[in-house]
Amino acid sequence: TQLLEQSPQFLSIQEGENLTVYCNSSSVFSSLQWYRQEPGEGPVLLVTVVTGGEVKKLKRLTFQFGDARKDSSLHITAAQPGDTGLYLCAGGQGGKLIFGQGTELSVKP
Amino acid sequence: DTGVSQDPRHKITKRGQNVTFRCDPISEHNRLYWYRQTLGQGPEFLTYFQNEAQLEKSRLLSDRFSAERPKGSFSTLEIQRTEQGDSAMYLCASSLSGGPVGNEQFFGPGTRLTVL
Repeated sequence: TQLLEQSPQFLSIQEGENLTVYCNSSSVFSSLQWYRQEPGEGPVLLVTVVTGGEVKKLKRLTFQFGDARKDSSLHITAAQPGDTGLYLCAGGQGGKLIFGQGTELSVKP
Repeated sequence: DTGVSQDPRHKITKRGQNVTFRCDPISEHNRLYWYRQTLGQGPEFLTYFQNEAQLEKSRLLSDRFSAERPKGSFSTLEIQRTEQGDSAMYLCASSLSGGPVGNEQFFGPGTRLTVL
């Protein structure tokens, strides 16, 4: 069974701080997606990375795919209360996605 | 562009009853997926279709669960003889096979099932 381990599981920070969330696996994935989910809603796609070493930026969010396509990171600069939510990484394997358990982020004003 | 829609959003049922959920994918997407998510966990894959063909089923999908996509458009997920352990958020997603960027799946808002 392929697993994706996310860390940390919980993160509570003050507005303006920077943070990094990690997503690690022993398996190689064809692609890796990052999603953000709010309570009672479905996950919303933030980014897809497919090439080892790829870096993508989305405003204050920076996503990186490891060279070996087994791990990824999400870095948020100057976090804001609106960034609060559950962040999920998901690896593509065949047709399905394998999800990590998520990182619950709380940004306090 | 109307995203993935799911109906109902919430379902409360008694143990032993049957329930059916519907998912309407993004119109041009040929793949449709079902996932289950319990509190504090990431979504777990259940099954997926390409057009009307069911291509993969997880071992999580017991014989009480059945999914269909008869015309390659909307899909239904039925749970027979519900158990309390079936209480979860059931998520549907869709994608375009062979799309330009990996296996991008777009999710619906989910159906929250509570089995009493």
